[in-house]
Amino acid sequence: DSGVTQTPKHLITATGQRVTLRCSPRSGDLSVYWYQQSLDQGLQFLIQYYNGEERAKGNILERFSAQQFPDLHSELNLSSLELGDSALYFCASSVGWRNNEQFFGPGTRLTVL
Amino acid sequence: KNEVEQSPQNLTAQEGEFITINCSYSVGISALHWLQQHPGGGIVSLFMLSSGKKKHGRLIATINIQEKHSSLHITASHPRDSAVYICAVRSHNTDKLIFGTGTRLQVFP
Repeated sequence: DSGVTQTPKHLITATGQRVTLRCSPRSGDLSVYWYQQSLDQGLQFLIQYYNGEERAKGNILERFSAQQFPDLHSELNLSSLELGDSALYFCASSVGWRNNEQFFGPGTRLTVL
Repeated sequence: KNEVEQSPQNLTAQEGEFITINCSYSVGISALHWLQQHPGGGIVSLFMLSSGKKKHGRLIATINIQEKHSSLHITASHPRDSAVYICAVRSHNTDKLIFGTGTRLQVFP
């Protein structure tokens, strides 16, 4: 158990809908990362927050947004969902903002029908 | 060409064999990560390197910054090492994390 929690574990929804994925980092970790893993694209970095501020941005679509709250939990919002958004979404946390070991959550499996 | 290339893509070994997985990258980096993804999907961070060599149990990771290359070695491999091993680098310029496509390892008893 990494200490990082993600909810929900599974999510099934329809095209055009909006969903929110939640991540709670390990106690004491200030950074939260979001990743997408689809069958055809492998792991992709979406976005990083550090102590409430956006720190680095990857290939995150405009339909997706994220934030980190004062209690350090983070939410990833996915809107106008498409079939291609079906994937595993992982959250990870680390102590610092740059070169620290990352601890991964169990992931949320999103299925868009 | 991908910015992070791993080889081989697939690897089969007999228990006890010494295994090497390679990672080459083309961008300037501040760190390189080796991750392990189990068949159930969970991801574990094995190493984070910015220079030199690190060892943890039967696992050894090395990085050569000049050659833009890293290797992950597994000594005395065991069936429980069967997993996908993923290399990821953090771009020095953009702070983005860039992933390799992974190496699928199967170790047979």
